[in-house]
Amino acid sequence: GNSVTQMEGPVTLSEEAFLTINCTYTATGYPSLFWYVQYPGEGLQLLLKATKADDKGSNKGFEATYRKETTSFHLEKGSVQVSDSAVYFCALKDNYGQNFVFGPGTRLSVLP
Amino acid sequence: SQTIHQWPATLVQPVGSPLSLECTVEGTSNPNLYWYRQAAGRGLQLLFYSVGIGQISSEVPQNLSASRPQDRQFILSSKKLLLSDSGFYLCAWSVQGYQPQHFGDGTRLSIL
Repeated sequence: GNSVTQMEGPVTLSEEAFLTINCTYTATGYPSLFWYVQYPGEGLQLLLKATKADDKGSNKGFEATYRKETTSFHLEKGSVQVSDSAVYFCALKDNYGQNFVFGPGTRLSVLP
Repeated sequence: SQTIHQWPATLVQPVGSPLSLECTVEGTSNPNLYWYRQAAGRGLQLLFYSVGIGQISSEVPQNLSASRPQDRQFILSSKKLLLSDSGFYLCAWSVQGYQPQHFGDGTRLSIL
């Protein structure tokens, strides 16, 4: 079946550091890939998405590129801020079913 | 634009009491609807999803149930709550194809 693997963290960085959160997936066909962010006490918000190979999703300084050859969708940001502290979820949806598959989430703490 | 409403935001219930959480979506027709549970510090667990009125698929056997009495209404229920039902419950909607899910703000349920 489909699955998503991501580093669970926690990841602790200083402000302005470079961020990478790894995400790899297993899926049949050609899934859509997503990154969601969850701030403390809130629901999940869509951060960015990519629907086909080599697509790059970007939003709020975050980027992720859909790499079919490595089945990866790593999240990156060049300079993190304290306000980026949250839990980040990688997710996929294949085009055959109705369900989404989420990774376990990665907690990011950014220190001033 | 589409919006999703989930209530209540927080709920404290004694063991053995009933439960009813409600989720409604506005601005779209025939959405796919989902209930997730997130235990403290953990990832997302899909509980139920629905592709139409009266159509409910259960992902995990438990003492919870779901109903979809109207196109844009999704209800999570229990006749007798257990301590293990504590957690953060999230409702989400999506449309078919490569589109992402959109989440409500969540309900934090504490069982005493």
